[in-house]
Amino acid sequence: DTEVTQTPKHLVMGMTNKKSLKCEQHMGHRAMYWYKQKAKKPPELMFVYSYEKLSINESVPSRFSPECPNSSLLNLHLHALQPEDSALYLCASSLGASGGPQGEQFFGPGTRLTVL
Amino acid sequence: KNQVEQSPQSLIILEGKNCTLQCNYTVSPFSNLRWYKQDTGRGPVSLTIMTFSENTKSNGRYTATLDADTKQSSLHITASQLSDSASYICVQGTSYGKLTFGQGTILTVHP
Repeated sequence: DTEVTQTPKHLVMGMTNKKSLKCEQHMGHRAMYWYKQKAKKPPELMFVYSYEKLSINESVPSRFSPECPNSSLLNLHLHALQPEDSALYLCASSLGASGGPQGEQFFGPGTRLTVL
Repeated sequence: KNQVEQSPQSLIILEGKNCTLQCNYTVSPFSNLRWYKQDTGRGPVSLTIMTFSENTKSNGRYTATLDADTKQSSLHITASQLSDSASYICVQGTSYGKLTFGQGTILTVHP
C-alpha cells in the first residue's frame, strides 16, 4: 500500500458541531502531518507527529485538536469552528521527519471542510 | 516575504508545447528542493526531490534543475498534455525538516 487515505472527502458542519477528520497510511512512515490549504494558496503546516508524539504545533487554535493513536493513524478533532476555517485539510506522511529525502512527504487527497 | 518565489503566477500553453516554470529560494539551511503537482481539490503529488549535489532530475516528461549557486530551480515540461493542467508548487526543505512552500504556478493546457 503506497498511499495516504483521508476520510471523509467532504464535510459540512455547523459552528457548534464536533467532528473528526481521519488519515491513514500503511507505508511504515513514522512522521505524519496536518496541513490547511485555502483556495489558490499553498498548504500551511498545522501539526507534525514524529514517532506518535506531537513535535510541531504551528500555533494552531485549540478548536483543532490532533491525535495520533498509532503509527498508521492520524486524527484531527474539530470543535466550535468558524466559517473562516473552511478549507482543504491535507494529511501527509514521510519516512522520517528530517529535511532530507527521508522526509519526502506523501500527501493524501484531502478533506474539503465547509463550516456554516 | 515568502522565501520561495515562483514565476510565472499562471501560464497558458497549447497541448504539445513545452514550458518552463521558475523557482527562487532563499531559506537556510538548504536541504532539498521539491516540485509537487496539485490538481484542483486534490493533494499535492511529488514530481521530483533534489539535494544540494544534484543538478537535474527527471520524472517522465518532467525535468527539474537546481542551481545551488544562484538558488534557482526550474521545472521543464515536455510535450504538454491536457492532464498537465494543474498547480505546480516549488517547496524547499531545510535540514531540520521544515518545508517552505512557494505560491505555485497555475498551468493551463489548451487543446
